[in-house]
Amino acid sequence: NAGVMQNPRHLVRRRGQEARLRCSPMKGHSHVYWYRQLPEEGLKFMVYLQKENIIDESGMPKERFSAEFPKEGPSILRIQQVVRGDSAAYFCASSPTRDSTYEQYFGPGTRLTVT
Amino acid sequence: GESVGLHLPTLSVQEGDNSIINCAYSNSASDYFIWYKQESGKGPQFIIDIRSNMDKRQGQRVTVLLNKTVKHLSLQIAATQPGDSAVYFCAEGVTGGFKTIFGAGTRLFVKA
Repeated sequence: NAGVMQNPRHLVRRRGQEARLRCSPMKGHSHVYWYRQLPEEGLKFMVYLQKENIIDESGMPKERFSAEFPKEGPSILRIQQVVRGDSAAYFCASSPTRDSTYEQYFGPGTRLTVT
Repeated sequence: GESVGLHLPTLSVQEGDNSIINCAYSNSASDYFIWYKQESGKGPQFIIDIRSNMDKRQGQRVTVLLNKTVKHLSLQIAATQPGDSAVYFCAEGVTGGFKTIFGAGTRLFVKA
């Protein structure tokens, strides 16, 4: 049973370009969470999605950031017109239930560098 | 609010010694707590969890203690090994909620 998959592992973008980060949850998991981690800091919640629904995007910047989790295929975190401040590690986690009192399984992360 | 925090940002221990990593939380409604380990270049990995109806829970070489009176959580690692070197995060959740709040993390260095 494969774990949470994220790709690409490393992504370099120039300022103004778009970044697309993909996350395939564990088999049987329909709940996906995206987190952002700056160097030497903890994980900051960005968005929580179920299949075809955004449940909570309170941690996501209102502009340039969007997320989706289609019926088929991976969840995608999209950052438009990237700026240097977007450079960070982005982690995806999945869970079989929406209850936060349940372990989340994390992917290896995508490290985004904006030049 | 997001206010899970740690007392010590770094901890250095001798191989074979016991390690204690501390965490403070402020949301009285939180009833589920988790410790994650994050190695360099990897995603967080679940270590152990505890629910608020317990004060202590033991795993393999790890013990989590919960003091609800002072809103304090600790992770004890017995006989610390070089492979334990990592950043450790505490996190909290609420039954029926879905947002897990992470603390800032403590970096553990194990000296051989």
